[in-house]
Amino acid sequence: NAGVTQTPKFQVLKTGQSMTLQCAQDMNHNSMYWYRQDPGMGLRLIYYSASEGTTDKGEVPNGYNVSRLNKREFSLRLESAAPSQTSVYFCASSESQGARGNTIYFGEGSWLTVV
Amino acid sequence: AQSVSQHNHHVILSEAASLELGCNYSYGGTVNLFWYVQYPGQHLQLLLKYFSGDPLVKGIKGFEAEFIKSKFSFNLRKPSVQWSDTAEYFCAVRPGANNLFFGTGTRLTVIP
Repeated sequence: NAGVTQTPKFQVLKTGQSMTLQCAQDMNHNSMYWYRQDPGMGLRLIYYSASEGTTDKGEVPNGYNVSRLNKREFSLRLESAAPSQTSVYFCASSESQGARGNTIYFGEGSWLTVV
Repeated sequence: AQSVSQHNHHVILSEAASLELGCNYSYGGTVNLFWYVQYPGQHLQLLLKYFSGDPLVKGIKGFEAEFIKSKFSFNLRKPSVQWSDTAEYFCAVRPGANNLFFGTGTRLTVIP
């Protein structure tokens, strides 16, 4: 099993450009997440999808949109990139959202720079 | 605001020294607790987790953590660190049926 895979691994964007980060998991998990990691801030939840067909805002959703395409895939879109969105983005998944006993598994990260 | 606090931002140790990284949280009620490790250039990996039962939990690579409910703490320990333990360590808390909240991380540098 590959676990959680996300693409691209590295991307440089100009301010105002749009892009989509792709994420797929092969663990048959119901819940998927997008986090961003910034120095001194830890990981912050952008959006999550508790189950196929649902999405909800996390701590820092502004400037982002998501799509839960199917059970396996959860994409993150930046419609008009800003330098403040320069960050490392992690996709993650778990069997279910919020349930006791669940562990969240992370992808390898996507390094995004907005110039 | 409710939070997860890791007070040590950067810890530098020599090999074979003992390690303790602090983690405190401010959520009430039932919590699930986690420690994740991120090696340079890699993704987060689960070190250990606490859901219930024995408050002293053992994880991979010789790490352990102790949940002290009265202190709202979940400190990570290792008796003797190795150079390969150089990484960033994140404490995370899931309060009740909510999502996972992370601390800001502690960078550990182990000097050979």
